[in-house]
This record gives sequence, C-alpha cells and structure tokens, in this order.
Amino acid sequence: GAVVSQHPSWVICKSGTSVKIECRSLDFQATTMFWYRQFPKQSLMLMATSNEGSKATYEQGVEKDKFLINHASLTLSTLTVTSAHPEDSSFYICSAPTGSKNTEAFFGQGTRLTVV
Amino acid sequence: LAKTTQPISMDSYEGQEVNITCSHNNIATNDYITWYQQFPSQGPRFIIQGYKTKVTNEVASLFIPADRKSSTLSLPRVSLSDTAVYYCLVGDQQAGTALIFGKGTTLSVSS
Repeated sequence: GAVVSQHPSWVICKSGTSVKIECRSLDFQATTMFWYRQFPKQSLMLMATSNEGSKATYEQGVEKDKFLINHASLTLSTLTVTSAHPEDSSFYICSAPTGSKNTEAFFGQGTRLTVV
Repeated sequence: LAKTTQPISMDSYEGQEVNITCSHNNIATNDYITWYQQFPSQGPRFIIQGYKTKVTNEVASLFIPADRKSSTLSLPRVSLSDTAVYYCLVGDQQAGTALIFGKGTTLSVSS
C-alpha cells in the first residue's frame, strides 16, 4: 500500500533554534500534502496545506513565518519550525491523499518535537 | 465539511465485539465516511471507508443506514492491541481537501 514517511521520528532542540521535518510519499506522487499538529490527549489539528510548486495555505491562527512549508517536488514536503519555543513542543504529522478518493489518505508516523 | 459526533470513550474486554457509532447529520451527497485508528505517538491509520449500506474488510465492518446520518464501525472480537483512538471522518472526494478530525473515541480493551 501507499506509504508516507516522516523524518525524524523525534527531535529535541534548544529554544530559538529551527527544526526541519520531512514528509515523503514513497510510492506515489502527491501534489498536495497536509500538516497537522497534535497536543497530548487532543485530536489532530490541521496547520496547513502544502502544494507542490506553489505557496502553502495556512489555517487561521497558524503563523506562516514561524512554520515554513516547502513542497519542492511531488514526493517531498518539509515543515520548518523557526525560532522554536517550548510551546511549539508537539507531535507533528503529515498526510497525503493517494488518488481520486481524497478521504483515503495516508499518514506519516509523526514527529515528536521537544523544545527545551 | 460535515461535523461528526462520537462517544469520547468506550471500554471493552478481549474477545468482545465493539461497535462505535458516529453521527453526521449534515453529511452531503458526495461525502464518504472514513474511519481511522491512531495509536499513541503514531500517525492515524486508515481502517475502512464507505458510502452507503455495509462495507467489510479484514479488519472491520462499517454499517451505514439509508439516510447516512450516522455510521457504525464494528470491530469483531477485539484484542488488547485494538486499544487506540478511533476517528470518524466525513468528506467528499475532491482532491486537495484536508481531513478534519473530531475528538475521536478512545477505546480501551482489557483482559
């Protein structure tokens, strides 16, 4: 089946530094990918829609200058958390629809970010 | 996107059948119903998808009544490893539309 791979699985960084998270579609092309954030005991919250070759679309309340998204190819989207702070510590998950059935999406394994 | 309502939590014992119902009163004509499973510190995993009546795969069954205003995910003979959060999502097939997650149902299976 279709596979979406995220890297790294976990990362610890110091406050003020930037962290890049990669999301790859391994056996299919994804013109669109989605980035979610999940805090403990809560549901997934959509952060932004990543579009290949164009600017990402951010959800209300998500700072586009803080969460930089780049979708330079049909198989790779990256999320960079810039100037990270402890409140950015969370579980970040990407997903990509696999075909015409949009709701049949596959998700990456997630990235646990801890900012100290 | 249609809003969904599920029970916050459910408890079960190994070997029992578990049915999780989801309400989606405002489902649109083009919307499909999809269920995902999520274990702690992992991304959600697709379980099953349906449009109407009944769908069955090797993992679960999905029952959808004629009015499509609700759906029921049925897990036969659950085991401890089925302890997870289960999300019901409703959406159309339009490419590029993100999945919006509700609160989900936390299923706890005990021995």
